[in-house]
Amino acid sequence: SQQGEEDPQALSIQEGENATMNCSYKTSINNLQWYRQNSGRGLVHLILIRSNEREKHSGRLRVTLDTSKKSSSLLITASRAADTASYFCASQSGAGSYQLTFGKGTKLSVIP
Amino acid sequence: NAGVTQTPKFRVLKTGQSMTLLCAQDMNHEYMYWYRQDPGMGLRLIHYSVGEGTTAKGEVPDGYNVSRLKKQNFLLGLESAAPSQTSVYFCASRPANYGYTFGSGTRLTVV
Repeated sequence: SQQGEEDPQALSIQEGENATMNCSYKTSINNLQWYRQNSGRGLVHLILIRSNEREKHSGRLRVTLDTSKKSSSLLITASRAADTASYFCASQSGAGSYQLTFGKGTKLSVIP
Repeated sequence: NAGVTQTPKFRVLKTGQSMTLLCAQDMNHEYMYWYRQDPGMGLRLIHYSVGEGTTAKGEVPDGYNVSRLKKQNFLLGLESAAPSQTSVYFCASRPANYGYTFGSGTRLTVV
């Protein structure tokens, strides 16, 4: 079963605007990760946030984690056309788990 | 540094044929994974390996076999391909406690 579920499924914004994507998960996690996938390509790791962290930044990316609500959000600030891609959250449940469970993704379109 | 390399990139099989997908990583990662990606389904884990000589089943293992004889290689086999196995297959590897590095995918069509 899919551990992570992204919301919205699709998002269209103008270049320069901020984009926010949300992810919910069902069971307790060790960490949560966000990936980007450009059309026809493999996934690229963006950021990892551990269960004891609440916020993390990487360049124009800001990720928050609320373990009480079992949710995370990815904010991309000052979006660019090159940010057009699908974004996936993925959760690793438990320190001893070897598996990463992916959501179905949010398709982001940034219009120049 | 090549990262994760998947071969082939594209393949068309007839129902019942067999094939092997090869994944090679040059980062000395312990963990390796095979996922399939279908429209509207996200990525689903087929099999994974936590080290040389080990394999384990994921969420959708039926119809697939794997082997990890060398640390850098993880092979995915289809013994008798079915149309339901038409998909894009991704291999990934990772060190402990960090994000995955994905290959560029193999697009497989079974007719």
